[in-house]
Amino acid sequence: KAGVTQTPRYLIKTRGQQVTLSCSPISGHRSVSWYQQTPGQGLQFLFEYFSETQRNKGNFPGRFSGRQFSNSRSEMNVSTLELGDSALYLCASSAESPSTEKLFFGSGTQLSVL
Amino acid sequence: GDSVTQMEGPVTLSEEAFLTINCTYTATGYPSLFWYVQYPGEGLQLLLKATKADDKGSNKGFEATYRKETTSFHLEKGSVQVSDSAVYFCALSGGGGYQKVTFGTGTKLQVIP
Repeated sequence: KAGVTQTPRYLIKTRGQQVTLSCSPISGHRSVSWYQQTPGQGLQFLFEYFSETQRNKGNFPGRFSGRQFSNSRSEMNVSTLELGDSALYLCASSAESPSTEKLFFGSGTQLSVL
Repeated sequence: GDSVTQMEGPVTLSEEAFLTINCTYTATGYPSLFWYVQYPGEGLQLLLKATKADDKGSNKGFEATYRKETTSFHLEKGSVQVSDSAVYFCALSGGGGYQKVTFGTGTKLQVIP
């Protein structure tokens, strides 16, 4: 089985731009969670999607949004980028419920905002 | 809300030394507890988990016991190897349908030969 695939691997943007990150979960997995990883804060939960519906959302501003498609692939979008958005963005998939099942993580997208 | 506190790193040990990484948590209800490991340049991988009080999770020589009375889930290994060098994350899921896993800030472990 292929693992969780995140694209692109690296991104460099400037302040004010917007960016879209993509995540393809393991085949058959319907839940996708997104996290922001920074050296000082660890992993901060962004949101979780299941069958195209957002089930939970973390404490991030509205500039951070996401969606999930019918094939379970997910995208997250950050608009009006700020320097503080520089981070590693990780997605993780699970079959149904991330709170009770093992999470499978992708290698992440490293976003640098200049 | 739910939170996880881990000891700050980095932790530097010599090969074959004993490892303890402390983790305490705050949660309502009866959370499940996890340890994930992140090797350089990779995503996180589940190392072990425990779903109820007094459960012991174990894998690859690592162990952690779910202590409800002290709200702790410390990670231990009797003899570390250079290949154990990585960042270790303690995490919890609060259940209750919240579909969310809360992670600690991570502890970097460096094992020197």
